[in-house]
Amino acid sequence: GQQVMQIPQYQHVQEGEDFTTYCNSSTTLSNIQWYKQRPGGHPVFLIQLVKSGEVKKQKRLTFQFGEAKKNSSLHITATQTTDVGTYFCASKDVKAAGNKLTFGGGTRVLVKP
Amino acid sequence: NAGVTQTPKFRVLKTGQSMTLLCAQDMNHEYMYWYRQDPGMGLRLIHYSVGEGTTAKGEVPDGYNVSRLKKQNFLLGLESAAPSQTSVYFCASTGTGRNYEQYFGPGTRLTVT
Repeated sequence: GQQVMQIPQYQHVQEGEDFTTYCNSSTTLSNIQWYKQRPGGHPVFLIQLVKSGEVKKQKRLTFQFGEAKKNSSLHITATQTTDVGTYFCASKDVKAAGNKLTFGGGTRVLVKP
Repeated sequence: NAGVTQTPKFRVLKTGQSMTLLCAQDMNHEYMYWYRQDPGMGLRLIHYSVGEGTTAKGEVPDGYNVSRLKKQNFLLGLESAAPSQTSVYFCASTGTGRNYEQYFGPGTRLTVT
């Protein structure tokens, strides 16, 4: 089945700095979704990208879908302590029924105040 | 709306014991999923359902059974618990529309000794 790989696995960021996390696939993806999981919490949906080259922004978060639809990125500017958590990308398996998603391993973000 | 709820929140089992995890959603979603999340890892799909009375295997189905007798409920059973099943279990649901973001429950933390 399809796989999505996330890098880096861990990201230590100084408060106020920017960082980017990446989601890569060897196959063309139909879409990409991003979720955030706070420590001890459950995953919460952030955004969905569908079109090639699509860019969406949510305040300090910028999401991008690659032109070839094989990768995606999440860029956070001016990191805050509220950004702590694990960010997952996920893609829909178009060959399966039921809107089944395949999740990447996640990028765990730690913020140094 | 309560969204997705899970019971119990915590459970400790001895090897060989059985238990059932209950997931309920009040959003009239067709699709429901059970994931497990091991420390520092991503989400792995155990089983899922595309509608009342249907179930399908996910990525890691061995040792688990599921049932979806009512649209709003999705049960996950462990017939004979093993230490390898120590994990956090998340239930999720989504609809059939174009925006198929998954809504997650708060999780069940299961320890098998």
